[in-house]
Amino acid sequence: AQSVTQLGSHVSVSEGALVLLRCNYSSSVPPYLFWYVQYPNQGLQLLLKYTTGATLVKGINGFEAEFKKSETSFHLTKPSAHMSDAAEYFCAVSDRSSYDKVIFGPGTSLSVIP
Amino acid sequence: DSGVTQTPKHLITATGQRVTLRCSPRSGDLSVYWYQQSLDQGLQFLIQYYNGEERAKGNILERFSAQQFPDLHSELNLSSLELGDSALYFCASSGVQETQYFGPGTRLLVL
Repeated sequence: AQSVTQLGSHVSVSEGALVLLRCNYSSSVPPYLFWYVQYPNQGLQLLLKYTTGATLVKGINGFEAEFKKSETSFHLTKPSAHMSDAAEYFCAVSDRSSYDKVIFGPGTSLSVIP
Repeated sequence: DSGVTQTPKHLITATGQRVTLRCSPRSGDLSVYWYQQSLDQGLQFLIQYYNGEERAKGNILERFSAQQFPDLHSELNLSSLELGDSALYFCASSGVQETQYFGPGTRLLVL
């Protein structure tokens, strides 16, 4: 069965510093991979997704993630953190055969310190 | 704005009561998903409907039920409510083989 782990339930970075949020998945075959962001009191918003092709995926708001099959990882990065990036971030996976069965990780809360 | 709408935004009720949450998917999306988000359980998939038919079931309690209507909107019915049912309930929609887009959620508080 697929599963998703996110290292660090809470990450703090200084404004302008690199953001690195870690995600590892467990799957017998490379799945589809997603990062969602949830701002306070709002729903989840898709940041980026990997399905096939280039392993470095660019998303909205300056975020990007790299699919590394050998490490079963899909870490999310942003070169320079902004105060508005403070939110909860969820990594998710689904079967390559279907977008339907999406499994979400536990989430990482990102704080940005001025 | 994802295009998915949910009503009501907030709901306060008492234990033992029954509530109905409503979701309107993005235009053209045939699939609707329901999720529960709580502090202790995280984001849990409850149930999926596709074009009016139940397609997949997750960790949905027997006290909960859902349906999708011919106009593709969906309702999640929660009955015999308990304190532990207090949570954020999200609806998401998708097209065929497409990413899920989430609504803003309904915050349920059971007192």
